[in-house]
Amino acid sequence: NAGVTQTPKFRVLKTGQSMTLLCAQDMNHEYMYWYRQDPGMGLRLIHYSVGEGTTAKGEVPDGYNVSRLKKQNFLLGLESAAPSQTSVYFCASSPSGRTSSYNEQFFGPGTRLTVL
Amino acid sequence: LAKTTQPISMDSYEGQEVNITCSHNNIATNDYITWYQQFPSQGPRFIIQGYKTKVTNEVASLFIPADRKSSTLSLPRVSLSDTAVYYCLVGEVDSSYKLIFGSGTRLLVRP
Repeated sequence: NAGVTQTPKFRVLKTGQSMTLLCAQDMNHEYMYWYRQDPGMGLRLIHYSVGEGTTAKGEVPDGYNVSRLKKQNFLLGLESAAPSQTSVYFCASSPSGRTSSYNEQFFGPGTRLTVL
Repeated sequence: LAKTTQPISMDSYEGQEVNITCSHNNIATNDYITWYQQFPSQGPRFIIQGYKTKVTNEVASLFIPADRKSSTLSLPRVSLSDTAVYYCLVGEVDSSYKLIFGSGTRLLVRP
């Protein structure tokens, strides 16, 4: 199993450009998440999904959109990139917590995005 | 949402036991305590989770006092490869999207 994969690994954008980050998981997890991590900081939740076809806002959703058309994929879109969105983006997934004693999040390797 | 407080950084030497304490004074009845480890340029990795008393796995131990207002992650005999950032999170098991990653504790293990 590949676990959680993210595409691309690195990207440089100019202000105003758009792009989509792809996250895929092969663990049949219900929950998926997008975080951003700025230098020296912890992770902040952007958007999350508790199942196929559902999405919800996290702590810092402004400037981002997401879609979960398939259970295994969670896409993060930047419609008009800004320098403040320069960050490392992590995707994660976790199984539904309703029947398990814990709900571990499995993280991808991250996407390093620079907006000039 | 329960807020956590942990030291910004800690130093240790190889072979020593390291204890990282996290304060969570307003922890709720249904909240679990979870610790993650993050190496540079990698995503966080789950270490251990507990509700009360003591939990031990092959990597670490988690000590939780009766009042659950704090918890201590114990790493036995650390090595250089344990140098990482350690995050303490508190939240309900089936509401993991509400977990908040603070700044964590930067552990530096010296030879």
